Amino acid sequence: TQLLEQSPQFLSIQEGENLTVYCNSSSVFSSLQWYRQEPGEGPVLLVTVVTGGEVKKLKRLTFQFGDARKDSSLHITAAQPGDTGLYLCAGVRVAGNMLTFGGGTRLMVKP
Amino acid sequence: KAGVTQTPRYLIKTRGQQVTLSCSPISGHRSVSWYQQTPGQGLQFLFEYFSETQRNKGNFPGRFSGRQFSNSRSEMNVSTLELGDSALYLCASSSSPGTLYNEQFFGPGTRLTVL
Repeated sequence: TQLLEQSPQFLSIQEGENLTVYCNSSSVFSSLQWYRQEPGEGPVLLVTVVTGGEVKKLKRLTFQFGDARKDSSLHITAAQPGDTGLYLCAGVRVAGNMLTFGGGTRLMVKP
Repeated sequence: KAGVTQTPRYLIKTRGQQVTLSCSPISGHRSVSWYQQTPGQGLQFLFEYFSETQRNKGNFPGRFSGRQFSNSRSEMNVSTLELGDSALYLCASSSSPGTLYNEQFFGPGTRLTVL
């Protein structure tokens, strides 16, 4: 059982479309991170959100941390084929240097 | 600055054998964590080492063990391999463990196949 539930698990869209990926938990986290993983590589950190209600923008990517620090979302505007990959959310608990990862969302953006 | 390196990249073993995987963290990083990634279970935490001490351990059987050397390089060992141990094993290093901005820098992983 995943402590962090990501949805959807798979997403296939056309270039130019918008999408949102959700990461939900019943647990409170100190902070939450989003990683992207491409085939044959390890995950790479995109962003860390720390404060409840926080919104961070990274070019066409917008990340939001829920007010209660239990959930987060990633919104991509005008998706491009280069956005294709596995998106992972990870909950951080400061007490214990351990990340809890969600199951991942596999995104494919078709040209 | 060189990234996290893992060796070997690919490994094929048979049931009952044991295997040792190696990880060299980014220079200056003292925290090394290991994760197992499978299609069914996703990314699961195995253990974390800091200054040669195991600080945290995930919910894996005792067949999975690890160690860290004084130069922060780490190894993980899996004994009596089972088919279900087939996975991508990822190592990650961090310069800021135990903080809100605990960025994990991942290596490319070792793909282990157990036949």
